[in-house]
Amino acid sequence: QSALTQPPSASGSPGQSITISCTGTSSDVGAHNYVSWYQQYPGKVPKLIIHEVSKRPSGVPDRFSGSKSGNTASLTVSGLQAEDEADYYCSSYAGSNNCPYVFGTGTKVTVL
Amino acid sequence: EVQLVETGGGLIQPGGSLRLSCAASGFIVSSTYMSWVRQAPGKGLEWVSVIYSDGTTYYADSVKGRFTISRDNSKNTLYLEMNSLRADDTAVYYCARVGLGPAGVDCWGQGTLVTVSS
Repeated sequence: QSALTQPPSASGSPGQSITISCTGTSSDVGAHNYVSWYQQYPGKVPKLIIHEVSKRPSGVPDRFSGSKSGNTASLTVSGLQAEDEADYYCSSYAGSNNCPYVFGTGTKVTVL
Repeated sequence: EVQLVETGGGLIQPGGSLRLSCAASGFIVSSTYMSWVRQAPGKGLEWVSVIYSDGTTYYADSVKGRFTISRDNSKNTLYLEMNSLRADDTAVYYCARVGLGPAGVDCWGQGTLVTVSS
C-alpha cells in the first residue's frame, strides 16, 4: 500500500487560510468516505482533527474543515493561528487489503 | 477516562524479538478496532497492524510475517509481538484506538521507542 501524497510544506500568515491536499487512488481515498486528518506537534502524540472526510471531533475548532473530490482529500485551516504550526497527516481506509489503512506523507505547516 | 499505556520498548539487536504491550482503561479493547502505528525518527506515520473487534488482523507489507498483533480480553491489553527485527523497524510505536469511523484514531498511547541496533 503506497502512502498518500501530501505537499511537504505549506505556509500562511496569521488570519489567512491554507489548504493541504492528500492524493490517493481509486482504491483508498476515492473508494471510501473514510479520510482522517491528524495534527502533530514535534515530539508529541498525533491528534485527530477530522474523521470521515469532514467530521470534527468534539473540541476541534471549526477553523479546521475537510472535503474530498475524487481521489483527493483536502484539509483547510481558516483564520490561521500561531498554534496551528505543526505537522499534518491524512489517512484513509483502503478496504480489506493487507493493511486496510494508509497514511499520507505529511505536511509541515508554518505560520509566517 | 480513556487511556492507553504502552510498555516494552527498548534497545534490541538486529534479528532479535520484542513484545510491546498496551494496557487500556476506560473502554473495552475487544469491542473496537485497535491498531499499532509507528514513526521512525524524523519521519512520518506508518500503519503497522490492526485487529478488528471480530479478531480479524491485518499487517503492513513491511512487517507481514514478522509481527503479530493480539489482545488479551481478560487483561484488556493489546500486544505486538515483533520478531526478526531490522534496523528500519527503529521507531516510536503507538498503540491506537480506531474509535471514530473505520479510520479515525481517537485515542493514542504515549508511544514507546524501539531501537534496533548492534
